[in-house]
Amino acid sequence: DIVMTQSPLSLPVTPGEPASISCRTTQSLLHINGYNYLDWYLQRPGQSPQLLIYLGSNRASGVPDRFSGSGSGTDFTLKISRVEAEDVGVYYCMQPLHTPYTFGQGTRLEIK
Amino acid sequence: QVQLVQSGPEVKEPGASVKLSCKAYGYSFTTFGITWVRQAPGQGLEWMGGISADNGDTSYPQKFQGRVTMSTDTSTNTAYMDLRGLRSDDTAVYYCARDVPSLDFWGQGTLLTVSS
Repeated sequence: DIVMTQSPLSLPVTPGEPASISCRTTQSLLHINGYNYLDWYLQRPGQSPQLLIYLGSNRASGVPDRFSGSGSGTDFTLKISRVEAEDVGVYYCMQPLHTPYTFGQGTRLEIK
Repeated sequence: QVQLVQSGPEVKEPGASVKLSCKAYGYSFTTFGITWVRQAPGQGLEWMGGISADNGDTSYPQKFQGRVTMSTDTSTNTAYMDLRGLRSDDTAVYYCARDVPSLDFWGQGTLLTVSS
């Protein structure tokens, strides 16, 4: 199984400041079609997870442009250019390339 | 618009079975798969498997092989997950999600409590 390792696991951020989360995988997520099969999800308190970024760097519909995804192969990053109060929650990376799909442990973002 | 509406909370005794449902609205049901994910209290997300709504092909992680069965009813646009031999550590919120293969729409979740 592909193991997903996120860091940090806890991320206190001052509003208006940037934030960055890393996700490293034990196998490459680069498909022969040229796409990296790596997604980012946000689970706000008490809510279902929502898709933020798919195929490594594509924002899902309705996701603000302060969120961006980058990386390739086994090393990926989610960046928030300016954190807002509504960004509080747990962020997960996930790979849908190989079954079983696997998730990172989650990174809890809190406002300082 | 796309919506996945899941069945209500369940309370079961250890050893029992449960069948959860997930009804899809707002898109052609057979175009995409459905994945099930669970979240134990205070824990992260765990993939339980998925089903193609087109041909019924399923994929389950080894951990749940023999205990889980996923199915669909294309006449009602509903996906089901049957979990047998329930244990206390199956207590969790169970989510269904549309699989494109990113999980772009999620249901509201069903709380399953396993307790004697």
